[in-house]
Order: sequence, then C-alpha cells, then structure tokens
Amino acid sequence: DTAVSQTPKYLVTQMGNDKSIKCEQNLGHDTMYWYKQDSKKFLKIMFSYNNKELIINETVPNRFSPKSPDKAHLNLHINSLELGDSAVYFCASSRSHGLPGYTFGSGTRLTVV
Amino acid sequence: DAKTTQPNSMESNEEEPVHLPCNHSTISGTDYIHWYRQLPSQGPEYVIHGLTSNVNNRMASLAIAEDRKSSTLILHRATLRDAAVYYCILGEYGNKLVFGAGTILRVKS
Repeated sequence: DTAVSQTPKYLVTQMGNDKSIKCEQNLGHDTMYWYKQDSKKFLKIMFSYNNKELIINETVPNRFSPKSPDKAHLNLHINSLELGDSAVYFCASSRSHGLPGYTFGSGTRLTVV
Repeated sequence: DAKTTQPNSMESNEEEPVHLPCNHSTISGTDYIHWYRQLPSQGPEYVIHGLTSNVNNRMASLAIAEDRKSSTLILHRATLRDAAVYYCILGEYGNKLVFGAGTILRVKS
C-alpha cells in the first residue's frame, strides 16, 4: 500500500499546455509539500499545505497553483507550460508542519517539448 | 537557511561500514540535523535526525560533534541497496527542509 502516491509517473506535453499532477497520502499526515528537482538534481521546495491551508509558497511563478481539497490530497496545476518547467516533481507529507520524517512520493517526471 | 558541506562522492565496499561526513559550521542552537537519501529514480527517503546527542535507528547511526559543527552518518554494513545520494540538511522544527547537493555513495561488490 503506497504511502504517498503521485499520478502520473511520466508526463510529456507541449509548451503552452495546462497540466495537473495529483498526490495522495494515506498516512494520516497533516502537512503536504511539493518539491521540484531540476536537471542538476537540486531539490527545491515549492509549496506546503497544513490541513488544507497554504503555509509555504516559495518564489514560484503564479502559473503553478496548488490545490488541497482535503488534507490527504495535494494537487499541482501548471498553466501555460514552458520548457524550463521540465523536471521531476515530488510530493511529500509529514505528521505536522516541519516535523522530521518526511515521506516522499516516487515523483512525476514532466517533460515539456 | 543554514548551509551544509558534504563531499561530492564517496565509495565503499559491500558489507563494510561507511562514514558520511557533513560540515555545518554555521549551525544555530535550534537547528536539527536531518539525513535523507535518494535512491536512483526514487523520491528521497528519511534516514535519521538528531539535535545534540548521537542517535541510532534501524537504518543508520548519527554521530554529532560536541560543538555541533559537524556530524557523521554511519551505515554499519553497506549493501548494494545503500548506493544513493545522501543529503545532510539543517532545519528547525517547524521549518521547511532545504536540500543541498548531497554525497553520491557508490558501493562496490
């Protein structure tokens, strides 16, 4: 039973399209995160939600909009995709905001062509 | 965000202990030391964390220097499955985790 699951695993799309990545956790955690790992392998936090409330919003273009319908789900919608958005996006969760022991999903590899 | 310095890469033989160093000379009194690892094509995985005292769990041990300016992650018996990128991260409770470049650990059979 996967703790943090992301769909899709791979996503290839054209520039200018709008796409969504879904994330669900079955751990009962209160906090969820989106991280982006670029081609240089650096992991950067994008957003964090605690009990459906946005608590971290890093310097991310407003084409990226997270949505948390409930505390078990955190989706990422991206408008007007650009080549530079190509990366692996990881969802993660933790028991509460900032508590150690994040659990990460296996990632969504987004390729914009 | 407090910074850490790790070697770019290390190599180990299978079934031998591995000591992965991390320097964090600007650590603040409230910073915890977290270790995560990322196996190829997978998301990061929590390994261990500590504040001042050495810590052990089923995956590894964390040895923290007395002045807290450095720490060492110890894998007691490396296996091929331990080949991964290991990240040493500083963070206060309640703050986001900021990942650096990490150490690529290669394990030889």
